[in-house]
Amino acid sequence: NAGVMQNPRHLVRRRGQEARLRCSPMKGHSHVYWYRQLPEEGLKFMVYLQKENIIDESGMPKERFSAEFPKEGPSILRIQQVVRGDSAAYFCASSPLRDGNTEAFFGQGTRLTVV
Amino acid sequence: SQQGEEDPQALSIQEGENATMNCSYKTSINNLQWYRQNSGRGLVHLILIRSNEREKHSGRLRVTLDTSKKSSSLLITASRAADTASYFCATDGGGYQKVTFGTGTKLQVIP
Repeated sequence: NAGVMQNPRHLVRRRGQEARLRCSPMKGHSHVYWYRQLPEEGLKFMVYLQKENIIDESGMPKERFSAEFPKEGPSILRIQQVVRGDSAAYFCASSPLRDGNTEAFFGQGTRLTVV
Repeated sequence: SQQGEEDPQALSIQEGENATMNCSYKTSINNLQWYRQNSGRGLVHLILIRSNEREKHSGRLRVTLDTSKKSSSLLITASRAADTASYFCATDGGGYQKVTFGTGTKLQVIP
């Protein structure tokens, strides 16, 4: 059973380009969470998705950021017109259950660098 | 605002010594988790302690939880150089796995 797979591991984008980050949850997990980690900081929650539904996007910037988790395929975090401040590590986590009594499994992250 | 706050922010010890990190949080929780992150790498889940548990062990790790004080501690015994990493506590909220992380404690174990 492969763990949470994120790709790419590293992504370099020029200012104004789009960044697409992918996350394939563990097999059997239907709950996906995206977090952002700025340098020297902890992880900040961005969005929680179930298949075809956004449950909680309270941590997501209102503009330029969007997330989806389609019925088939990985979850995608999309950042349009990237700016230098978007440079960070983006982590995806998945869990099998909605309730809070199981751990979330994290991917290795995608490190986005905006130049 | 951050739910979890780790203390200290940085800790440097000699190999073989014990390392203790503390975490305080603000609101009620279902569980609290500790994660390790090696520099530039992903998160490794260490241990989950539920709100009705007071202490939990896993190998060289010992976690305590005091819900009355809204605090937890992580003790690593007989530290090794390989324990050098950042350690984060994470608390759940909202009835699902939306965890809120603290800013972490950077542990350096000197060989």
